[in-house]
Parts: sequence; structure tokens; C-alpha cells
Amino acid sequence: DGGITQSPKYLFRKEGQNVTLSCEQNLNHDAMYWYRQDPGQGLRLIYYSQIVNDFQKGDIAEGYSVSREKKESFPLTVTSAQKNPTAFYLCASRPSSGALNEQFFGPGTRLTVL
Amino acid sequence: DAKTTQPTSMDCAEGRAANLPCNHSTISGNEYVYWYRQIHSQGPQYIIHGLKNNETNEMASLIITEDRKSSTLILPHATLRDTAVYYCIVRGTRHAGNMLTFGGGTRLMVKP
Repeated sequence: DGGITQSPKYLFRKEGQNVTLSCEQNLNHDAMYWYRQDPGQGLRLIYYSQIVNDFQKGDIAEGYSVSREKKESFPLTVTSAQKNPTAFYLCASRPSSGALNEQFFGPGTRLTVL
Repeated sequence: DAKTTQPTSMDCAEGRAANLPCNHSTISGNEYVYWYRQIHSQGPQYIIHGLKNNETNEMASLIITEDRKSSTLILPHATLRDTAVYYCIVRGTRHAGNMLTFGGGTRLMVKP
């Protein structure tokens, strides 16, 4: 089955701890994205990567870090510097060729910081 | 990217057509209209996109006005499973990174 997986679905952490959210895709897509969603709100872009070993900050990158060492993986680390990390985190990917290609989203990880 | 305006919420009776409007009065010539939907606690799902002609696929129809300042997403026979938040997004082909800018969307409630 081709698709995007995010694990775990629910994640709990203590305040002050760093936590890494997993995002894997087997769609052979070049571009990958991380979004954050707060209750009742739309999605906000955290980071994106158009190719391996390259990534760019989105609108709300402060307190987050990413890596893109492999095409299929784009993990997001929520650091202790992120002031309000509790949110629903969504990963997406798309083929880079073709500017009109749709984004495919993973099922999301709901992070709760206690 | 052009800003979009959508109603916060709408109701629709099961089996009837759901017509979801979107205003994008500042859209420019090379910007496309995209629609995604998000069922509760899931990732958004692509529905349809268009430039100026009306588009139809197995999920929905997209009607874009001649001046392109507004559009309507039509779900011809809404089911309970169509209850979701629907996002209208305008994006140009030259946008760096080709990311999507999501607003608040329209919360569609399909009722029996």
C-alpha cells in the first residue's frame, strides 16, 4: 500500500522534553511538508523540504527542527523552545514535478505536552 | 497567494446537493482554486482544482465564475460521511515550495 504514515497517533510528553514525530512516505515524492493545526483552526506550515538534504522554514518554524536525510523520511522535532507545543501535527508530500500536483496528507499525530 | 473567504459553517440534508461558496476577489491570472476537506482528526484530502473552466470528478464539481472572483464546490448527493471541514485555497504555479495556505474553512454538517 502506498501512502504516508505518521506515528504514533497520540503522543504525550512532559514539558521541557524534546520529542520527535515520525513521517514516512513510500510514494517516491520529492517534496514533504509539516503543518500544525490548533483546535478549530486551519493548518499552518512549519517546515518544508523540496529535495533530500534541503529544507526551508515555513510560517511558524520557531521551536521546531527537521532533517531530510532520506527521500522517504522527514522527521520533525518539537524542542523545549516551542512555547505551546500541544497541537495536531500533519505531514504531507507531493511529487515535485508538476506545480499543480496535489498534496497527500498523513493521518496526523496529536501531541499533548503535560 | 490570494486570500479566500468562506462561510464558517453550513448544514445540508442527506441526499441533497451541498453547495459550498468561496470568495477570492484578489485572485490573479495564474492562480488556481483548490479544494481540500478534512474529516475530524484526520489529514486533509484533496478534492478538486481548477483555473477558469468548470471541473468535475468522481467526488465533486467545481464552478468558477467568469470573473474568477468566486467559486462553488458542489457535492451532488451529500452523505453523512461528507461531514467535514472544507478548505478553499488559491495558489499560483510559481509559489516557492508549492505549499498550501489553509484558512479556517467551512464546517459542513450533513444531517439525516
